[in-house]
Amino acid sequence: KQEVTQIPAALSVPEGENLVLNCSFTDSAIYNLQWFRQDPGKGLTSLLLIQSSQREQTSGRLNASLDKSSGRSTLYIAASQPGDSATYLCAVMDSNYQLIWGAGTKLIIKP
Amino acid sequence: GAVVSQHPSWVICKSGTSVKIECRSLDFQATTMFWYRQFPKQSLMLMATSNEGSKATYEQGVEKDKFLINHASLTLSTLTVTSAHPEDSSFYICSARQRTGSGEQYFGPGTRLTVT
Repeated sequence: KQEVTQIPAALSVPEGENLVLNCSFTDSAIYNLQWFRQDPGKGLTSLLLIQSSQREQTSGRLNASLDKSSGRSTLYIAASQPGDSATYLCAVMDSNYQLIWGAGTKLIIKP
Repeated sequence: GAVVSQHPSWVICKSGTSVKIECRSLDFQATTMFWYRQFPKQSLMLMATSNEGSKATYEQGVEKDKFLINHASLTLSTLTVTSAHPEDSSFYICSARQRTGSGEQYFGPGTRLTVT
């Protein structure tokens, strides 16, 4: 059974720092991996989607990598800003097109 | 493109009543829609998967007679919470997957249900 783990559960850093959020999964047979952002009481915003054949995706200050063999993905945020404060969720899509979710990392960027 | 809407965005109802939540794909045809529930400070939990024109597949532990799902068309799925109780209070999120494409799910903005 696929399990997705996100570390750390919470992270607080000063504005301007580069940071890395981690996501690991137990079964490498995934269709894709996706990173989402969720603001308190709000829905999900898709940040990056990495297909199983890809190694990384970039969007602005965000870069996500995928290493299927080791069951890991990282989300790199460059030059963090207070507006980046949110919960970041990682989800893998299995071969049945179902998303398996991590518990999220709550990120706080201090001004 | 690939926008999913939900209605209502929030609803308060009394215990024992039923509430219907709509999920619409606005600019694409969704052969499959998913319903999730999210409790405070927790991640999303898949409740059920619905395919257009067929019965929904419910996850273990989700009561199909309590959470009625109808996927009547390629752009609309509804979730009806019947005989709601306070413990049903949660954030309900739907997603939709396109008929073609990468298999990516597109998420609605969520519906906050509070049962008093």
